[in-house]
Amino acid sequence: GENVEQHPSTLSVQEGDSAVIKCTYSDSASNYFPWYKQELGKRPQLIIDIRSNVGEKKDQRIAVTLNKTAKHFSLHITETQPEDSAVYFCAAIPGGSGNTGKLIFGQGTTLQVKP
Amino acid sequence: GAVVSQHPSRVICKSGTSVKIECRSLDFQATTMFWYRQFPKQSLMLMATSNEGSKATYEQGVEKDKFLINHASLTLSTLTVTSAHPEDSSFYICSASADTQYFGPGTRLTVL
Repeated sequence: GENVEQHPSTLSVQEGDSAVIKCTYSDSASNYFPWYKQELGKRPQLIIDIRSNVGEKKDQRIAVTLNKTAKHFSLHITETQPEDSAVYFCAAIPGGSGNTGKLIFGQGTTLQVKP
Repeated sequence: GAVVSQHPSRVICKSGTSVKIECRSLDFQATTMFWYRQFPKQSLMLMATSNEGSKATYEQGVEKDKFLINHASLTLSTLTVTSAHPEDSSFYICSASADTQYFGPGTRLTVL
């Protein structure tokens, strides 16, 4: 089945710097890759997603890139702010189920943005 | 976006009792819902796929007799943790699919 690996597990940056989180997946049939932000004790919030027919997607300070050949995708946050501090999860939906199939999550990255 | 609710938000129970958690899609119908479990400082682990009108599909290693799932309508799925033990203490989150997946707020289960 699908396996998603995420790195790093923790990331500390200064306010204003960029943060990059990387994930790899194993199922070449996966075609939808969302990123979630989770604050302590709360539900995951979708922050950006990308489909396999697109190489890059950007939404203000957040961007995601996808390399289907290498089976990896990355989250880029620019001009980080203290409120970006949270746990970030990448995920993949295996088997070509589009964006409504079961999610397989990476291990998570705890991002700390220091003022 | 679509709204998914969960009830209760927190529950504390004694070892050996059963606990039922409800997941509702409030403004859309969901033929499929998913149940995840999250231990402290860990990722979300898929437990099972809840299918309206049919049996749930459980992930490998998840005991179907311990975690009973019922998806009786297009807006409600329930997860019952039977004979709960302290090791079942966790954060349980459901999600429902519309144009994308929407998560419920989660249920914090503590088994004493």
